[in-house]
Amino acid sequence: AQSVTQLDSQVPVFEEAPVELRCNYSSSVSVYLFWYVQYPNQGLQLLLKYLSGSTLVKGINGFEAEFNKSQTSFHLRKPSVHISDTAEYFCAVIPSGGYNKLIFGAGTRLAVHP
Amino acid sequence: DAGVTQSPTHLIKTRGQQVTLRCSPKSGHDTVSWYQQALGQGPQFIFQYYEEEERQRGNFPDRFSGHQFPNYSSELNVNALLLGDSALYLCAYQIGSSDTQYFGPGTRLTVL
Repeated sequence: AQSVTQLDSQVPVFEEAPVELRCNYSSSVSVYLFWYVQYPNQGLQLLLKYLSGSTLVKGINGFEAEFNKSQTSFHLRKPSVHISDTAEYFCAVIPSGGYNKLIFGAGTRLAVHP
Repeated sequence: DAGVTQSPTHLIKTRGQQVTLRCSPKSGHDTVSWYQQALGQGPQFIFQYYEEEERQRGNFPDRFSGHQFPNYSSELNVNALLLGDSALYLCAYQIGSSDTQYFGPGTRLTVL
């Protein structure tokens, strides 16, 4: 069965510093990969997705992620964070043939400090 | 264009009761999935409906059931509530089998 591991439960960072949120997945078949953000007391918003093609994917709010098939990773990065980026971030996969059933990691809490 | 909406926002029930949560789609989105998000965890897939039929189901007991209406809106029903059913319940819509799901704001269910 597919699974998603987010390696850090919490990531504290200062404003304007770079950040990387790590995600690994286990799958023997091709998958689609996603990052979602959840602000307090809100639902999930899609940040970016990888379906095929270029392994570097750019998303909203200045975020980008790189798909690495050999390492089965899909890490999320931002070169300079803002206070407003404080939120919970979820990595998710859709296994091929899965009618787009999302399998989520446990989440990483990004806390941006002034 | 209105996004995905859910009602109610919050709900408090006692053990053994039954609850119905509701979800309405973005315009043109016909496939709905429901997820349970326990505190401090990622969402877990409950089931998906398309053309008013359950198309796929996650590892949830039969106490969890759903319905999709001709206008694509949906309900999630949970019978015989347990304390462990306390969670944020999210619905998400997509077009057919497209890859992108749009989530509603969720319903926070507390079981006492």
